[in-house]
Amino acid sequence: AQSVSQHNHHVILSEAASLELGCNYSYGGTVNLFWYVQYPGQHLQLLLKYFSGDPLVKGIKGFEAEFIKSKFSFNLRKPSVQWSDTAEYFCAVWFTSGTYKYIFGTGTRLKVLA
Amino acid sequence: EAQVTQNPRYLITVTGKKLTVTCSQNMNHEYMSWYRQDPGLGLRQIYYSMNVEVTDKGDVPEGYKVSRKEKRNFPLILESPSPNQTSLYFCASSLFLAGGSDTQYFGPGTRLTVL
Repeated sequence: AQSVSQHNHHVILSEAASLELGCNYSYGGTVNLFWYVQYPGQHLQLLLKYFSGDPLVKGIKGFEAEFIKSKFSFNLRKPSVQWSDTAEYFCAVWFTSGTYKYIFGTGTRLKVLA
Repeated sequence: EAQVTQNPRYLITVTGKKLTVTCSQNMNHEYMSWYRQDPGLGLRQIYYSMNVEVTDKGDVPEGYKVSRKEKRNFPLILESPSPNQTSLYFCASSLFLAGGSDTQYFGPGTRLTVL
């Protein structure tokens, strides 16, 4: 069955620390990949996405992600986090063959200490 | 303003009393979807719709129904709610491109409690 795994459920960092959140999916075909963020009390919104081309994609607020096809991974990174990055982060995968489902990971709660 | 709206935002009901949560988008998106969000489980897709009159099950469809009679609306129906359907529900919509679905735009959420 298709699945998406996020390895870090809770992460606590100090401001200026670097961030990397892992995301792996279990499918060998073509996928569209997304990272969404949910700030406290707000809607989910898109951070970045990958459909094709350069596997290193840049999103809003200094976030970037790298698609590694051989590892079925799409890890999210930020060189220096800020207190305002405190939020829940979701990896999502659109599987393009045989189904039109979105599968989300279980999310990572990030807390950044000022 | 481009948006996805959901109503009601909060609902407390009792077991077995039919309810409908409405969802509407003003972006002319083909793809619409319902999710439930539960602690530790992330977002799980309930149903989705590729376009008018085209719907299909997501990963957790049991106990839910949907319809897509107009492009802008995608209501979620709970015919006989049970306590295990207590959750936070999100509606979302997106364009459906040749390569697949684009960015999803989410509604504000509906917090449902079934007693």
